[in-house]
Amino acid sequence: GAGVSQTPSNKVTEKGKYVELRCDPISGHTALYWYRQSLGQGPEFLIYFQGTGAADDSGLPNDRFFAVRPEGSVSTLKIQRTERGDSAVYLCASSPARGRQFGTGELFFGEGSRLTVL
Amino acid sequence: QKEVEQDPGPLSVPEGAIVSLNCTYSNSAFQYFMWYRQYSRKGPELLMYTYSSGNKEDGRFTAQVDKSSKYISLFIRDSQPSDSATYLCAMSDKYGGATNKLIFGTGTLLAVQP
Repeated sequence: GAGVSQTPSNKVTEKGKYVELRCDPISGHTALYWYRQSLGQGPEFLIYFQGTGAADDSGLPNDRFFAVRPEGSVSTLKIQRTERGDSAVYLCASSPARGRQFGTGELFFGEGSRLTVL
Repeated sequence: QKEVEQDPGPLSVPEGAIVSLNCTYSNSAFQYFMWYRQYSRKGPELLMYTYSSGNKEDGRFTAQVDKSSKYISLFIRDSQPSDSATYLCAMSDKYGGATNKLIFGTGTLLAVQP
């Protein structure tokens, strides 16, 4: 597709359950980011991949959160033992490795996965 | 204290008005400043990008950065109902693609009334 694709768009789960959120970046974009946006807040950085490796995971709130990008394209954000405080929109973004858009650092965001933990 | 402060609004203006949106920040290492626009239930999209202090104009939009005051602004001239969205300021201390994360403000919700 032309843009960043995220699935599911909505996920409702119960406290304590395991959740996976998927991100398919723009083809050819080497950098991939996960952000979390709580209601009435701006996006908050979680983790950044350059290729297959997590270059910066300093934003992950605790060890219940984990993300992978095994082939350098699609990424999965995994949340174990979900808590009500995990409810938020999880945004994925990608960016290219060269060109004008590299120079501006523009991030291309998906529409997000809205997670609700009951 | 948050690194980036932004008035959440909401801000309601009549069509054709000039809109002023602002952010303040505390980290003097920030050199790259952006404004993203986010429509309801959509992801943010880049609107303006500026480096260091100064002004940048793009159509009806003007971005200003005053590093001495740690203050950035976005002005929208001749506002239109289609400008109704949340406006997020974002900042980084690293150049372009070397940026590994952006620090966002909380966003200002703008409603332009026809």
